[in-house]
Amino acid sequence: QSVLTQPPSASGTPGQRVTISCSGSSSNIGSNYVYWYQQLPGTAPKLLIYRNNQRPSGVPDRFSGSKSGTSASLAISGLRSEDEADYYCAAWDDSLSGHVFGGGTKLTVL
Amino acid sequence: QLQLQESGPGLVKPSETLSLTCTVSGGSISSSSYYWGWIRQPPGKGLEWIGSIYYSGSTYYNPSLKSRVTISVDTSKNQFSLKLSSVTAADTAVYYCARQNQVAAGTKPLPNFDYWGQGTLVTVSS
Repeated sequence: QSVLTQPPSASGTPGQRVTISCSGSSSNIGSNYVYWYQQLPGTAPKLLIYRNNQRPSGVPDRFSGSKSGTSASLAISGLRSEDEADYYCAAWDDSLSGHVFGGGTKLTVL
Repeated sequence: QLQLQESGPGLVKPSETLSLTCTVSGGSISSSSYYWGWIRQPPGKGLEWIGSIYYSGSTYYNPSLKSRVTISVDTSKNQFSLKLSSVTAADTAVYYCARQNQVAAGTKPLPNFDYWGQGTLVTVSS
């Protein structure tokens, strides 16, 4: 059972916009930045979004992050087949004094 | 280009100690802006942060693993290492090392893992 809750799966068709949610509490998302990672099959995770809504250089602007209260979302617009991957949210948790990850969402491009 | 590479035994017996090393190339482990972390992923499951270390040797660990984890750093070799004691089958996972970017972090650590190693599978089995 992960501290941050994500839906196990999501799907969309090419060109569509999909969102992935990440639900937490006041001790993590509610008071700290949210980070998002993309993990393509068989590879290491890659930083996708930092500080709630910032993209590292090289990450397409099709990817965007947002946060409201104790929840965060990752949106992917103009969905492409290469976006098929697992997506994880992460945050610092004040109560646990540690970094916590969501359980991950497997995105399927139909 | 910064690169991280994990190394160590791929098979560890139950009750023994898992030992891995991460070698950093293309940059210095002694930079003041970064921590260095270990994250693991059991087969078919999600990510779990294990712990992090600063070049000075300052560490902080996942509370659920703290009693069994030791992370150390060797700045002369540009390496940091993980030891996990008393392993069981539940510790079977791909272990990743990563750079943890703390630029403008303020007072709290950030799970800002911006460079990752390729990962190494460690199986706990007799």
